Amino acid sequence: SQQGEEDPQALSIQEGENATMNCSYKTSINNLQWYRQNSGRGLVHLILIRSNEREKHSGRLRVTLDTSKKSSSLLITASRAADTASYFCATDTSGAQKLVFGQGTRLTINP
Amino acid sequence: ETGVTQTPRHLVMGMTNKKSLKCEQHLGHNAMYWYKQSAKKPLELMFVYNFKEQTENNSVPSRFSPECPNSSHLFLHLHTLQPEDSALYLCASSQDSASGPSTDTQYFGPGTRLTVL
Repeated sequence: SQQGEEDPQALSIQEGENATMNCSYKTSINNLQWYRQNSGRGLVHLILIRSNEREKHSGRLRVTLDTSKKSSSLLITASRAADTASYFCATDTSGAQKLVFGQGTRLTINP
Repeated sequence: ETGVTQTPRHLVMGMTNKKSLKCEQHLGHNAMYWYKQSAKKPLELMFVYNFKEQTENNSVPSRFSPECPNSSHLFLHLHTLQPEDSALYLCASSQDSASGPSTDTQYFGPGTRLTVL
């Protein structure tokens, strides 16, 4: 079974609102990363949070990590139409030295 | 641009054809990856190369054959594919660490959209 599972699978909000996406995983990790993918394009790395970190910020992005619950959340504040994309979490599983991606959340920002 | 290029961007091939996908990274990385992205499925890791040596073959059918002639170039040779192989094929690279490919950040190419008829 896959390591990371995003929730919700799809999210549609109005421009200016905040968007929150969640990721759950099953095994212990070294780090967790979030990527964005515009339709039919490659993935772009957004932010990485290590297993000993609880929160990280990058511009309008805020990521939290709760290793006790094996979950992470990505918050995009003041959303823009250009944020419309699919968002994936990826886990670097301890000892595996490879990333395992979830199915992603499809985010639509309505103008 | 992420510094990783892929060609062709689109490919349509018959089940009896032989074709190759090409990936080139301009980032000085030592590890390169092939992923398959199908509709409604998670991104699937296919192959990993570290210092031109294959370190991961994720139970990929032999009709997919990777080649890594140097740390900047990666190929995926295709032959006798099936319609279910139609997908977006993504290449990525990363900076390796002493104990193997560093997975801190991967840089992805734009992908090749493959359609098998």
